[in-house]
Amino acid sequence: EIVLTQSPATLSLSPGERATLSCRASQSVSSYLAWYQHKPGQAPRLLIYHASNRATGIPARFSGSGSGTDFTLTISSLEPEDFAVYYCQQRSNWPLTFGGGTKVEI
Amino acid sequence: QVQLVESGGGVLQPGRSLRLSCAASGFTFSSSAIHWVRQAPGKGLEWVALISYDGNNKYYADSVKGRFTLSRDNSKNTLYVQMNSLRGEDTAVYYCAKDRDLGYMDVWGKGTTVTVSS
Repeated sequence: EIVLTQSPATLSLSPGERATLSCRASQSVSSYLAWYQHKPGQAPRLLIYHASNRATGIPARFSGSGSGTDFTLTISSLEPEDFAVYYCQQRSNWPLTFGGGTKVEI
Repeated sequence: QVQLVESGGGVLQPGRSLRLSCAASGFTFSSSAIHWVRQAPGKGLEWVALISYDGNNKYYADSVKGRFTLSRDNSKNTLYVQMNSLRGEDTAVYYCAKDRDLGYMDVWGKGTTVTVSS
């Protein structure tokens, strides 16, 4: 099973600041990595797939990069609605796995 | 509007069974693979299972293999997961999600809660 390790566990920032979230895979997943945003009581939302492709309706301030084992989600300028938990997920190997999440808080 | 709605959650004792449903609308259900993902209290997301668009292929996490069974009725735009021999560690919010590119999840329901406790 591929283990995804996200860092940091918590990121404390203010609106307008840049957020950089990391996801490291225990073995190469090529570019088969997605990022999701999850707020309490809501459905998770797909942000990025194939490492760097924005999903439908996702604002341009969200961007993804990386390949192999190291990936980054960047939020260029935090909006109040961006404070949430972010998960990476790989689809390179079965079983599909998620990282442990990074909480972006004010 | 593309939508998934889960139902069937509840509180039950260890060892009992439960069937969850996922009703789809706003897209061609019969052409879409569907995932189940769960989140235990205070924990992150855990992928549970995937069923192909026609129901012929199913994939399960080791934690539920042999206990959970996926099925679908494309005439009703509905997916089911039969959960048997439930354990305390199955306590979670269960989400169904539409598949994208055989492995990503691009539309999610709001979830249904399953609590397994004596």
